Amino acid sequence: EAQVTQNPRYLITVTGKKLTVTCSQNMNHEYMSWYRQDPGLGLRQIYYSMNVEVTDKGDVPEGYKVSRKEKRNFPLILESPSPNQTSLYFCASSPNGGRAIHEQFFGPGTRLTVL
Amino acid sequence: GIQVEQSPPDLILQEGANSTLRCNFSDSVNNLQWFHQNPWGQLINLFYIPSGTKQNGRLSATTVATERYSLLYISSSQTTDSGVYFCAVVSYYGGSQGNLIFGKGTKLSVKP
Repeated sequence: EAQVTQNPRYLITVTGKKLTVTCSQNMNHEYMSWYRQDPGLGLRQIYYSMNVEVTDKGDVPEGYKVSRKEKRNFPLILESPSPNQTSLYFCASSPNGGRAIHEQFFGPGTRLTVL
Repeated sequence: GIQVEQSPPDLILQEGANSTLRCNFSDSVNNLQWFHQNPWGQLINLFYIPSGTKQNGRLSATTVATERYSLLYISSSQTTDSGVYFCAVVSYYGGSQGNLIFGKGTKLSVKP
């Protein structure tokens, strides 16, 4: 089944404890992206990747890192999580037709709570 | 940047009723998608529809790109249709690549 998977689905952690949220897609998509969803602020893009070894900042990159060493994986790294990073996180992927980004497919989401 | 406005913000329907959700956007777009966020928080793709009309079962969507709006039609609504419906666009003129700009959503409640 074609899908985007994220792990973990739920995580409660403490301030300053490094964590990684994994994202994997099995559709051979070039483009991958991370969003966070917050009440009143909606969904906002954190980072994106056009292809392997190519990443760039979205609208709210502060406090996050990403890497794209393989086409299928795009982990989101929080080096020193803080309570304001408590949020619902989504990974998305899309085939990339040159400059145009086509339909994006979202993972199931990761609910992160930072105490 | 591009603005995306959805209406109505809230909608309560009796099971079996029909509804129309609207999405207005302020600039040219090269991607428009409709999503359903279910009560468990998952974002379900409904339509990828930068222009034209598509149908999938009881749902259909129309985007008139030249007039900068899109409509989502839900017919014979069911309780499982409840949740939040989002319209999201990618601006033709830039910003970060593929950055989907989401509207605030329409919260739909279907009563049995």
